[in-house]
Amino acid sequence: GAVVSQHPSRVICKSGTSVKIECRSLDFQATTMFWYRQFPKQSLMLMATSNEGSKATYEQGVEKDKFLINHASLTLSTLTVTSAHPEDSSFYICSAPPGGPVYGYTFGSGTRLTVV
Amino acid sequence: GENVEQHPSTLSVQEGDSAVIKCTYSDSASNYFPWYKQELGKGPQLIIDIRSNVGEKKDQRIAVTLNKTAKHFSLHITETQPEDSAVYFCAASMDTGRRALTFGSGTRLQVQP
Repeated sequence: GAVVSQHPSRVICKSGTSVKIECRSLDFQATTMFWYRQFPKQSLMLMATSNEGSKATYEQGVEKDKFLINHASLTLSTLTVTSAHPEDSSFYICSAPPGGPVYGYTFGSGTRLTVV
Repeated sequence: GENVEQHPSTLSVQEGDSAVIKCTYSDSASNYFPWYKQELGKGPQLIIDIRSNVGEKKDQRIAVTLNKTAKHFSLHITETQPEDSAVYFCAASMDTGRRALTFGSGTRLQVQP
């Protein structure tokens, strides 16, 4: 079945530094990738939608200059958390929508970001 | 946009009992309703889904029912086992491609041995 490979699974960074999270679609092409953020004991909240070859669209309240999204190819979408602060510590998950032979939404395994 | 409400937030059952989790959605245009199981530190795992042209779907011990008129759908787990303990999320989407899923707030299910 369709697989989205997300890396890294865990990252600890110092406050003020940047962190890049990658999501790769394996064996299928993902023209769209959804990025979610999940705080402890809370639900998944959509942050932004990336589209291959065009600018990402951000949900209300999400800082586009802080959360840089790049979807340079049909198999790779990246989220870069710039100038990270402790309040950015969260679980970040990417998801590719269904399409073609892909049934249902495909989720990455998530990235646990801890900013110290 | 879509709003999905989920109840209860926590549910504790004895092994072998049934568990029911309920969700309501706001947008009548939504037509895809998946349920996910999430274990600690992992991404959500699809356990069952239903589309608006179907009222009920079953897969072994898991079933989902959908009432389009009332705009609510439910997850039913029968003969619960300790390994069913996890957080369950319902979700809704307007279509199955262009829009992201909107998730409910989650239900922490604990199955007591």
